[in-house]
Amino acid sequence: GAVVSQHPSRVICKSGTSVKIECRSLDFQATTMFWYRQFPKQSLMLMATSNEGSKATYEQGVEKDKFLINHASLTLSTLTVTSAHPEDSSFYICSAMAGNTIYFGEGSWLTVV
Amino acid sequence: GENVEQHPSTLSVQEGDSAVIKCTYSDSASNYFPWYKQELGKGSQLIIDIRSNVGEKKDQRIAVTLNKTAKHFSLHITETQPEDSAVYFCAARQGAQKLVFGQGTRLTINP
Repeated sequence: GAVVSQHPSRVICKSGTSVKIECRSLDFQATTMFWYRQFPKQSLMLMATSNEGSKATYEQGVEKDKFLINHASLTLSTLTVTSAHPEDSSFYICSAMAGNTIYFGEGSWLTVV
Repeated sequence: GENVEQHPSTLSVQEGDSAVIKCTYSDSASNYFPWYKQELGKGSQLIIDIRSNVGEKKDQRIAVTLNKTAKHFSLHITETQPEDSAVYFCAARQGAQKLVFGQGTRLTINP
């Protein structure tokens, strides 16, 4: 079936630095990808919708200047957490649609120290 | 917008018994309802899904039922095994592709 790959699976960064997470659709093209964030013991919360070739659509309360999304090709979307702070530490996961089914990446654990 | 409620938040069953997780949704226009299994530190794996033109779908030990009138759908796992222990999320599709998730159910299978 369709595969969505995320990289890195785990990353630790220093407070104030930026970190980039990649989401790739491996065997299909995805004009739209989604980025979610999940805090411990909580559900997945949609952050933004990534649209190939255009600006991302952010959910209410998500800072677009802090969470930069780039969807430069039909198989790659990136999420960059800029000027990261400890409260940005979370599990970030992307998804993409293949046919009528939505598949998720493996997720990325971000720890900001 | 869509709102999805999931119950119970935690569920503990004996190995071999059945487990049922229920979700309700608010938007009658939602037409796609997937279930995801999330193991500790891993991404979410799609385990089964159902579309609004179907009332029930089964895949080996896993089944999902959908009641469009009542706007609820349920996940049924039979003959549970230790490897079924995980957090399960239901979701409903709002609009074209956006998913709205339930709060999750932590399922524990006791040997």
